[in-house]
Amino acid sequence: QKEVEQNSGPLSVPEGAIASLNCTYSDRGSQSFFWYRQYSGKSPELIMSIYSNGDKEDGRFTAQLNKASQYVSLLIRDSQPSDSATYLCAVKAAGNKLTFGGGTRVLVKP
Amino acid sequence: GAVVSQHPSRVICKSGTSVKIECRSLDFQATTMFWYRQFPKKSLMLMATSNEGSKATYEQGVEKDKFLINHASLTLSTLTVTSAHPEDSSFYICSARATSGGTDTQYFGPGTRLTVL
Repeated sequence: QKEVEQNSGPLSVPEGAIASLNCTYSDRGSQSFFWYRQYSGKSPELIMSIYSNGDKEDGRFTAQLNKASQYVSLLIRDSQPSDSATYLCAVKAAGNKLTFGGGTRVLVKP
Repeated sequence: GAVVSQHPSRVICKSGTSVKIECRSLDFQATTMFWYRQFPKKSLMLMATSNEGSKATYEQGVEKDKFLINHASLTLSTLTVTSAHPEDSSFYICSARATSGGTDTQYFGPGTRLTVL
């Protein structure tokens, strides 16, 4: 069974600090990796996509991918209260389907 | 770009009735759309993959005769929950697959909250 694992949290972070979220996946054939943010009662919103090993930065967000370790992470710099949400890691292997992790709930405290 | 809409956003219906949910890609064509269901405090569960011009592919355990999917055009997929029961009450979310510039990404609609009385 193809799995994507995330710590459910909550991850409590002071405002202005860095939030670090981790995700591991079991399918070595996975090719594409995504981070979505989901506010309570809302649908997921794409934050980042990453396809090759290394870091990818977009504003306050940095995604890191290590295919050898089957590990993808998301860093949120200068965390704001508005970043409080559930962050979903999603992985795509061959085919079109995404496999989602259970999500990590992040709480940014003022 | 990459905007996906869903209609209605919220629906309340009586047990035994059918409910249709529409998913539209507004600024791109999507040969593939996906339907998910999410229960409170749970992650997304893929129900089916909707393919334009062909039959949908359902995930294991999802009743294809209860959840009817039609993908009649490159911008519209519909999910009909037939003979709805209270246990079908959930948050239904569609996504549309966008491929351009070598990327392959799913963009989500805003979701439809279904309550069956």
